[in-house]
Amino acid sequence: QKEVEQNSGPLSVPEGAIASLNCTYSDRGSQSFFWYRQYSGKSPELIMFIYSNGDKEDGRFTAQLNKASQYVSLLIRDSQPSDSATYLCAVKEEYGNKLVFGAGTILRVKS
Amino acid sequence: NAGVTQTPKFQVLKTGQSMTLQCAQDMNHNSMYWYRQDPGMGLRLIYYSASEGTTDKGEVPNGYNVSRLNKREFSLRLESAAPSQTSVYFCASSEHVLRQETQYFGPGTRLLVL
Repeated sequence: QKEVEQNSGPLSVPEGAIASLNCTYSDRGSQSFFWYRQYSGKSPELIMFIYSNGDKEDGRFTAQLNKASQYVSLLIRDSQPSDSATYLCAVKEEYGNKLVFGAGTILRVKS
Repeated sequence: NAGVTQTPKFQVLKTGQSMTLQCAQDMNHNSMYWYRQDPGMGLRLIYYSASEGTTDKGEVPNGYNVSRLNKREFSLRLESAAPSQTSVYFCASSEHVLRQETQYFGPGTRLLVL
């Protein structure tokens, strides 16, 4: 059974700080990795995807991938109260189009 | 362009009752998915359809059936609801763009089985 592990949190950071969210995965053949944000009572929405080792930046968000360590992270710079949500890590299986989701990390940004 | 729509938004069933959850997408995506989300367990795949005319089991298919009616619509049926099926159900669709495979989610159906 392919697994995606996340710390459930909650992770609490002060407004303006950097929030660091982490995810590990078991399927060594996985090639594509996704971060979804889910506000309470709402559906998940894609914020980042990455498939090459290293960093990918998009505005205040940076995704980091280390395939050798089977580790992917999401950094949120200048955290805002509006970033308070659950962040889901998802990994695309090596074969096929299915995603395997982690249970999510709750992020709370305090003003 | 509504994206992915789901009906109903909320439903209460008694044990043993049946119902069908409806999902439709207007993005011309080939693949569609049904997930359930329970507290602390993330999204778990129930069934998926890689293309029109095909369906496959996901991680938790027991107690459910699906129909890919056409390219736009993918329904999920509970034949005899059980309290363990109380959950939030999300439908999603995706396009195949190299390794990107972005999934777009509907607003969800909140189901309570008494």
